[in-house]
Amino acid sequence: SQELEQSPQSLIVQEGKNLTINCTSSKTLYGLYWYKQKYGEGLIFLMMLQKGGEEKSHEKITAKLDEKKQQSSLHITASQPSHAGIYLCGAAPNAGGTSYGKLTFGQGTILTVHP
Amino acid sequence: DAGVIQSPRHEVTEMGQEVTLRCKPISGHNSLFWYRQTMMRGLELLIYFNNNVPIDDSGMPEDRFSAKMPNASFSTLKIQPSEPRDSAVYFCASRPYRDAVSSGNTIYFGEGSWLTVV
Repeated sequence: SQELEQSPQSLIVQEGKNLTINCTSSKTLYGLYWYKQKYGEGLIFLMMLQKGGEEKSHEKITAKLDEKKQQSSLHITASQPSHAGIYLCGAAPNAGGTSYGKLTFGQGTILTVHP
Repeated sequence: DAGVIQSPRHEVTEMGQEVTLRCKPISGHNSLFWYRQTMMRGLELLIYFNNNVPIDDSGMPEDRFSAKMPNASFSTLKIQPSEPRDSAVYFCASRPYRDAVSSGNTIYFGEGSWLTVV
């Protein structure tokens, strides 16, 4: 089965600093999802990557998938307290079929942003 | 637009009692997923449906757990009898079923049902 390793497990930064969270897979990633979760709330979809070398941005968050499709990174520029939460990467198991939504998740990265 | 709606948001029950969690997927979505989140095991898929049909229930921990989707707008996850180790956050998620290589395969999660079994 596919395993996802996120690093770091937790991160504390000062407001305004840049940061990167990594997600490494034991197998080829066919679809890689990034979600953000705040305590007591659900998962908020951030971005989904499928192609090797793909990069997507939304506001100050950029996600990349490497060419070999085994590692993804999430980069936050000029962090704000509103970015605080748990960031989770989730991988789709294969290139198609009905199982595409059967995501395997990393253990999460807890981000704290001090004002 | 309404997102994935789950109820109850919080439930505290005694061991041995039956628990029913409910989910209304986003209208037009025909894939529905039940996940469980715990500190020890993280987020795990329990079961998922396509077009109301259960496709893979290999993640369901044991026979005490059952899930149904009687129509496209409603699903339940039932635990009977409940045990303290079932305490977790249970998430429902949905997505429109499309070819995986197309764009827009976003999977939307509800806000979760926080279950505590004492």
